[in-house]
Amino acid sequence: TQLLEQSPQFLSIQEGENLTVYCNSSSVFSSLQWYRQEPGEGPVLLVTVVTGGEVKKLKRLTFQFGDARKDSSLHITAAQTGDTGLYLCAGKTGANNLFFGTGTRLTVIP
Amino acid sequence: NAGVMQNPRHLVRRRGQEARLRCSPMKGHSHVYWYRQLPEEGLKFMVYLQKENIIDESGMPKERFSAEFPKEGPSILRIQQVVRGDSAAYFCASSPAGRNTEAFFGQGTRLTVV
Repeated sequence: TQLLEQSPQFLSIQEGENLTVYCNSSSVFSSLQWYRQEPGEGPVLLVTVVTGGEVKKLKRLTFQFGDARKDSSLHITAAQTGDTGLYLCAGKTGANNLFFGTGTRLTVIP
Repeated sequence: NAGVMQNPRHLVRRRGQEARLRCSPMKGHSHVYWYRQLPEEGLKFMVYLQKENIIDESGMPKERFSAEFPKEGPSILRIQQVVRGDSAAYFCASSPAGRNTEAFFGQGTRLTVV
């Protein structure tokens, strides 16, 4: 099992603030996916990054894949209450298996 | 194109009974992954299957748990002789064949053992 550590585990911020969530591993992944999960629902795919050093932007969300393809970050600009949820990174191995990080629970306070 | 369908959404079983969880992948998807999630925790990998093959079952307990993905029909996660500790949300995801393909999740099955 590949270990992906996310930090912070919990994050509570005011609406309008910026934040960054980190996903780190000692393993190399062929791609990395970020998901957001709300209570009682399945995870919803936000983005996939494939190339080392790749940066993808989705409105106020910026995703980066580390040069060595072992780590990733998610940056949210001007957080909104609708961003509240559990953010999960997931690394795809060369064998096509998919392992999840420990999760970051974000609460955005109005 | 329907998404990943899991049923039932909620399942209550008494200790010692069997639980069968079903996952119908998205059309054209031949890979299925099963995960277990406890409240306030992340997703723990259980098993990765392709049609008629178990590729990686390293996350699945050796006893009482089994999984299959037949040529026709849904993938099934089977838990025999359930115990209270099996209570959790079980999610499946599917993806098409190929490298770096994206995986999409179902709504999950919430198993409660009483």
